[in-house]
Amino acid sequence: AQSVAQPEDQVKVAEGNPLTVKCTYSVSGNPYLFWYVQYPNRGLQFLLKYITGDNLVKGSYGFEAEFNKSQTSFHLKKPSALVSDSALYFCAVRGNSGGYQKVTFGTGTKLQVIP
Amino acid sequence: EAQVTQNPRYLITVTGKKLTVTCSQNMNHEYMSWYRQDPGLGLRQIYYSMNVEVTDKGDVPEGYKVSRKEKRNFPLILESPSPNQTSLYFCASSAPGTSGSTDTQYFGPGTRLTVL
Repeated sequence: AQSVAQPEDQVKVAEGNPLTVKCTYSVSGNPYLFWYVQYPNRGLQFLLKYITGDNLVKGSYGFEAEFNKSQTSFHLKKPSALVSDSALYFCAVRGNSGGYQKVTFGTGTKLQVIP
Repeated sequence: EAQVTQNPRYLITVTGKKLTVTCSQNMNHEYMSWYRQDPGLGLRQIYYSMNVEVTDKGDVPEGYKVSRKEKRNFPLILESPSPNQTSLYFCASSAPGTSGSTDTQYFGPGTRLTVL
């Protein structure tokens, strides 16, 4: 069975500092990996995904994530945090077989950027 | 505007009173899913649909029903709601395998359900 672990319930960072939100996964075969963000009282919004190719993936709002196959990790990063980045972040994984594949989400990490 | 809509956004009901949460998408997506979000548990899939008249159970299907009579709509039915179904529910849609958009899910705004 596939799974996602987000080991930190909450991450606090000062505005302007770099941020990292951690994610590790388990899945059979090669993974498709995703990050979504949820702002208060909103649905989830897609940030970025890794399907294949370059291990460093760039996404929306200046976020990027690095796929590390040996460590089965897909950490989300941003060089300089903004207060407006404060939100709940979800990592997700699915297998890369053909047809429909279930997506499994992590439990979420609340990011708080302090002015 | 491409979007997934859900109604109602908020609902307070009582145990045993049947309810339906509607979901509609305007992107012609084949895949649709229902999730529930609970603190500490993240998002868990309830049901999914791969196309019209094709549905299957997700991780937590007990107490829920779905139907997919039209491509754009995927209602979630609670025949006899119970307090443990109090949660935040999200509908999502996605397109299979098209270039650049493989499996990117588009989520509705959520329905906060309270069952007393």
